[in-house]
Amino acid sequence: NAGVTQTPKFQVLKTGQSMTLQCAQDMNHEYMSWYRQDPGMGLRLIHYSVGAGITDQGEVPNGYNVSRSTTEDFPLRLLSAAPSQTSVYFCASSLLGRGYNQPQHFGDGTRLSIL
Amino acid sequence: AQTVTQSQPEMSVQEAETVTLSCTYDTSESDYYLFWYKQPPSRQMILVIRQEAYKQQNATENRFSVNFQKAAKSFSLKISDSQLGDAAMYFCAYRSEGSGTYKYIFGTGTRLKVLA
Repeated sequence: NAGVTQTPKFQVLKTGQSMTLQCAQDMNHEYMSWYRQDPGMGLRLIHYSVGAGITDQGEVPNGYNVSRSTTEDFPLRLLSAAPSQTSVYFCASSLLGRGYNQPQHFGDGTRLSIL
Repeated sequence: AQTVTQSQPEMSVQEAETVTLSCTYDTSESDYYLFWYKQPPSRQMILVIRQEAYKQQNATENRFSVNFQKAAKSFSLKISDSQLGDAAMYFCAYRSEGSGTYKYIFGTGTRLKVLA
């Protein structure tokens, strides 16, 4: 079982560069989401999706774009990287449905440094 | 907007003893789910326990149990017979259900140290 796969695991960028963090899940989960984790701030929701073609903003969406063309994939794009985007990024997925207490399954994270 | 508060940035417990981690949340919804996740140094996020808001019975998973007080909006985690492998960051999380937004809100975490 692959679960949630994030690539790359580590990345260093220069300010102004663009990059896409990849996330794929093989569990046929409707819900997918991206978080950033910074010291002392827990996990903050960037964007999320409840199905192919449907995305919405989370708590900290500025500077990030997402799309959901398939159920399996949910890439996160940084169009012009800034040092403030240095963080650990997690992708997560879960089933949805009223009455289903489905926890999120997390990827292993991507440590991103912007110089 | 919903919020989740973990007021203990760090806790310590002696091996084999019991420790309780606090979590409070604020919401106007009546239909939601609550979770505790563990993040060891490996950085993986691991589900520890979950609770449905409509259930009055507190959830338990082996040495882990919760004290869910819906009226007080409190969701504490009790770890019994603490082991060295329990040392990690613990995050409390809330997921809305009734509003249809399906957003997960996380607390800032509590770092648990287990002393041998």
